[in-house]
Amino acid sequence: DTGVSQNPRHKITKRGQNVTFRCDPISEHNRLYWYRQTLGQGPEFLTYFQNEAQLEKSRLLSDRFSAERPKGSFSTLEIQRTEQGDSAMYLCASSFGQGYGYTFGSGTRLTVV
Amino acid sequence: DAKTTQPNSMESNEEEPVHLPCNHSTISGTDYIHWYRQLPSQGPEYVIHGLTSNVNNRMASLAIAEDRKSSTLILHRATLRDAAVYYCILSLPQGAGNMLTFGGGTRLMVKP
Repeated sequence: DTGVSQNPRHKITKRGQNVTFRCDPISEHNRLYWYRQTLGQGPEFLTYFQNEAQLEKSRLLSDRFSAERPKGSFSTLEIQRTEQGDSAMYLCASSFGQGYGYTFGSGTRLTVV
Repeated sequence: DAKTTQPNSMESNEEEPVHLPCNHSTISGTDYIHWYRQLPSQGPEYVIHGLTSNVNNRMASLAIAEDRKSSTLILHRATLRDAAVYYCILSLPQGAGNMLTFGGGTRLMVKP
């Protein structure tokens, strides 16, 4: 297992378009997290899955954002009708749970033009 | 949410030890103390975590105060590759999903 994989690494899109990012966690990890990071700031929590269940969503996750984790394996994060303010690094992490560290992916950098 | 306080930046000389402090005076009894670091253009990297006792691993040591209101990440011999932003984070209890809430972190600069 080579860690958490995120695709694509970079995405440039026009305002108003929809984008989808994929995260493949470490296979043994049942918890998966999405974070967003803007320049000069620490990562901000977006949402969390335990297996296939989405158990927590941040207020940052507007109705234009949706995340899924079918079958408790990979996860997708979709942003509809992108806005320039959505430009950020989107990070995925997975974990065994409480008392264990997270393993982060390298992120997907989104630029909305 | 329990918060952490870290200096914005610190400098170190290469091959010298580095002590990165973190205050978390409102920590609860079940909060784990996590440290992550982030190099430019990469995702955060797990460094170490602990609950009450001091912890050592191949990357660093974590010294936790007896009252748990502060902790110190110790890099025993800083290298240029240790230059990064270091985040001290308290994990929320298990029922809340163990989310990590990142603050601003400490930017460590290592001088050759």
